[in-house]
Amino acid sequence: KNEVEQSPQNLTAQEGEFITINCSYSVGISALHWLQQHPGGGIVSLFMLSSGKKKHGRLIATINIQEKHSSLHITASHPRDSAVYICAVDNTDKLIFGTGTRLQVFP
Amino acid sequence: NAGVTQTPKFQVLKTGQSMTLQCAQDMNHNSMYWYRQDPGMGLRLIYYSASEGTTDKGEVPNGYNVSRLNKREFSLRLESAAPSQTSVYFCASSPQSGNNYGYTFGSGTRLTVV
Repeated sequence: KNEVEQSPQNLTAQEGEFITINCSYSVGISALHWLQQHPGGGIVSLFMLSSGKKKHGRLIATINIQEKHSSLHITASHPRDSAVYICAVDNTDKLIFGTGTRLQVFP
Repeated sequence: NAGVTQTPKFQVLKTGQSMTLQCAQDMNHNSMYWYRQDPGMGLRLIYYSASEGTTDKGEVPNGYNVSRLNKREFSLRLESAAPSQTSVYFCASSPQSGNNYGYTFGSGTRLTVV
């Protein structure tokens, strides 16, 4: 079993829909990262969080340390949100990555 | 703001050839990392450098060597490329190694070994 599991693996949505991507982990962490990767592109850091909730524009990230679970929400989704979203956890000086969730938003 | 710059963006090698992937950051970060990304798998750490003058193996170091040339630059060398090294390679940096520091990633190098 992977130490960081994301669900769903693939997600399609219509423009304007509310999106939720989930991340569960099985190791002790000090922080969790949400990253975005556009097709053929580099990786951009969206959030780093160790407790509670963070918001940036239409993106919201939450984490529940007790349940070892985090969610990334996208409100009013747009085709430009189409990308792979990657969850990664900080574990003893190294990052452990999930395999990513591929999101496609159609107009 | 350049951030983390990787070169080249694309490369095709023949089995047995050697090459060096270059990475430079302009954020005065102490720590730098090399990852590889393969289909269906999360990014995996090849080597990292916690600070200038130090390098350490990550999860998948076999077939690679690294050099932390100075604080800005961290290169990854394939001495004798193999088809199993076909992958997308990402360089990243962070202010310090350890927890609770953000990471900045480069745009990646897509390497094909034939």
